[in-house]
Amino acid sequence: DQQVKQNSPSLSVQEGRISILNCDYTNSMFDYFLWYKKYPAEGPTFLISISSIKDKNEDGRFTVFLNKSAKHLSLHIVPSQPGDSAVYFCAATGNMLTFGGGTRLMVKP
Amino acid sequence: EPEVTQTPSHQVTQMGQEVILRCVPISNHLYFYWYRQILGQKVEFLVSFYNNEISEKSEIFDDQFSVERPDGSNFTLKIRSTKLEDSAMYFCASSEERASSGNTIYFGEGSWLTVV
Repeated sequence: DQQVKQNSPSLSVQEGRISILNCDYTNSMFDYFLWYKKYPAEGPTFLISISSIKDKNEDGRFTVFLNKSAKHLSLHIVPSQPGDSAVYFCAATGNMLTFGGGTRLMVKP
Repeated sequence: EPEVTQTPSHQVTQMGQEVILRCVPISNHLYFYWYRQILGQKVEFLVSFYNNEISEKSEIFDDQFSVERPDGSNFTLKIRSTKLEDSAMYFCASSEERASSGNTIYFGEGSWLTVV
């Protein structure tokens, strides 16, 4: 059961450019969507979230867009920095937090 | 900044042995969770706990698993008889309110369990 899917296992971006991470979901009952960042051997760290009633939320360099009709959300990081290199997980909440498979972002200097 | 702490950071155990993973959630949080990530796979939900009882659990959380809040601060995950496939990073997490309210869930650093 893959209610939350991240179809790109990895993404490589040049420093200063935009990183766009994508996520698709199947359950229309999800209330909130979140993005977490994870470094190796560490726990996921919360980045940004969006309510299902909104279509955009912005926090500094990070913006999350939600397209409910397409059941799709994306995380935009601009400008990308080498320190952003990590695995990014999309997650959605119903009664629990359900994670996507993650996308490894590599930002090259 | 308050954080979720987990011990041990790494444990190696023999198949069939019991393991207890410990967690100290953030002090004013009321909802507690265990997740796991098998190497190379996605982070998977195991169980959520509120008001001293399990509120949700996944198919993974079978009779071999149990959770407990033995005192006011610790939250433990016990695996009764470990199997090789239990080898994974186990993450404890906590939140002030329930996950479906959009409240941020904070994760610990993880406990890496290796079953040999």
